[in-house]
Amino acid sequence: DVKVTQSSRYLVKRTGEKVFLECVQDMDHENMFWYRQDPGLGLRLIYFSYDVKMKEKGDIPEGYSVSREKKERFSLILESASTNQTSMYLCASSSDSNEQFFGPGTRLTVL
Amino acid sequence: QKEVEQNSGPLSVPEGAIASLNCTYSDRGSQSFFWYRQYSGKSPELIMSIYSNGDKEDGRFTAQLNKASQYVSLLIRDSQPSDSATYLCAATLGGYQKVTFGTGTKLQVIP
Repeated sequence: DVKVTQSSRYLVKRTGEKVFLECVQDMDHENMFWYRQDPGLGLRLIYFSYDVKMKEKGDIPEGYSVSREKKERFSLILESASTNQTSMYLCASSSDSNEQFFGPGTRLTVL
Repeated sequence: QKEVEQNSGPLSVPEGAIASLNCTYSDRGSQSFFWYRQYSGKSPELIMSIYSNGDKEDGRFTAQLNKASQYVSLLIRDSQPSDSATYLCAATLGGYQKVTFGTGTKLQVIP
């Protein structure tokens, strides 16, 4: 089975802090994704990556950056957290089939 | 116009009935379509993938694709209370690896 893990299930940070969310997959997938999910807005793509050191902006990249130094690891960085970044963050990975497999999610609260 | 559109529901069906979930998409060039199930507080879980016109069956689930009408559906036979969840439709739009999700239909199976 594909396994995607995320570094934290719940996280509470203060406005202005730098936040790192980490995601690791064990199935040698080329593609990795970061989404946020908010009630009524569904899943929105923040960034994705086709390969190591490659990254592409999704639909809502503002306020976020990413890092992919190793194939299995994809990190999402909030440079200066703001209250409007309070959300559920979901990482996913996929092979060429485009079937995405999700991690358990990180519920981030920014105070 | 939303790129992948679903009725938000809730769709209520009695236990043992067939639940029919529908989805439309905007990009005629879409090639891959997916249904995910998401329980409250959990991450999405892949149920079915469908790539060609027609029906695809897996246990109690049948996915139906009609590319001419830009329509995808999911049928759940013999619905169980454990099927109560939000069902997300997704499609590849505008790019091979990028998948766009609908906002989901909430299904309630009444015992």
